Amino acid sequence: AQSVTQLDSHVSVSEGTPVLLRCNYSSSYSPSLFWYVQHPNKGLQLLLKYTSAATLVKGINGFEAEFKKSETSFHLTKPSAHMSDAAEYFCVVSEKRTYKYIFGTGTRLKVLA
Amino acid sequence: DAGVIQSPRHEVTEMGQEVTLRCKPISGHNSLFWYRQTMMRGLELLIYFNNNVPIDDSGMPEDRFSAKMPNASFSTLKIQPSEPRDSAVYFCASSLGTLITDTQYFGPGTRLTVL
Repeated sequence: AQSVTQLDSHVSVSEGTPVLLRCNYSSSYSPSLFWYVQHPNKGLQLLLKYTSAATLVKGINGFEAEFKKSETSFHLTKPSAHMSDAAEYFCVVSEKRTYKYIFGTGTRLKVLA
Repeated sequence: DAGVIQSPRHEVTEMGQEVTLRCKPISGHNSLFWYRQTMMRGLELLIYFNNNVPIDDSGMPEDRFSAKMPNASFSTLKIQPSEPRDSAVYFCASSLGTLITDTQYFGPGTRLTVL
């Protein structure tokens, strides 16, 4: 069975410093992986997705993620945090047999002024 | 495109009442998903449809919950009778199909409070 683990439930960074949100996955197939962001009282918005093309994936708002098969990781990064990045971030793996999304438990990012 | 549309955005009801949540998927999308989000359990898939047919309803909590998709542009999630433990945010999402590469696009959610 496929699964995804977000290693940090909360991350705090100062504005202008790099962001690293960690995600590890488990999959017996070549997975599709996604990062979504949820701002307070809003729906989920797709940041980026990996679908077996380039291992370095660029998304919206300056975010990017690197698929590392050897480490079974798909960490989300951004060079410089902005106050508007404060939100909850979900790592998702798409299950091959059933096409269901398997969600991580989320990482809440706090950006300090 | 207007995106996935959900109504109402907020619903407050009393225990025992019937609640109906509505969703309009993105035009041209063939798959529709209903999720529930709570602090305790995170995001849970309740049911999903492909070409208006329910494919997997294993996440539906109990018989009090039912979902329909009478046509490609409309779906409902009904709770009857509602209970306080049903209080949550309910999201609808749609995607082009059911490939693992397909992106799900989420609506803004309906915040349900059952008193």
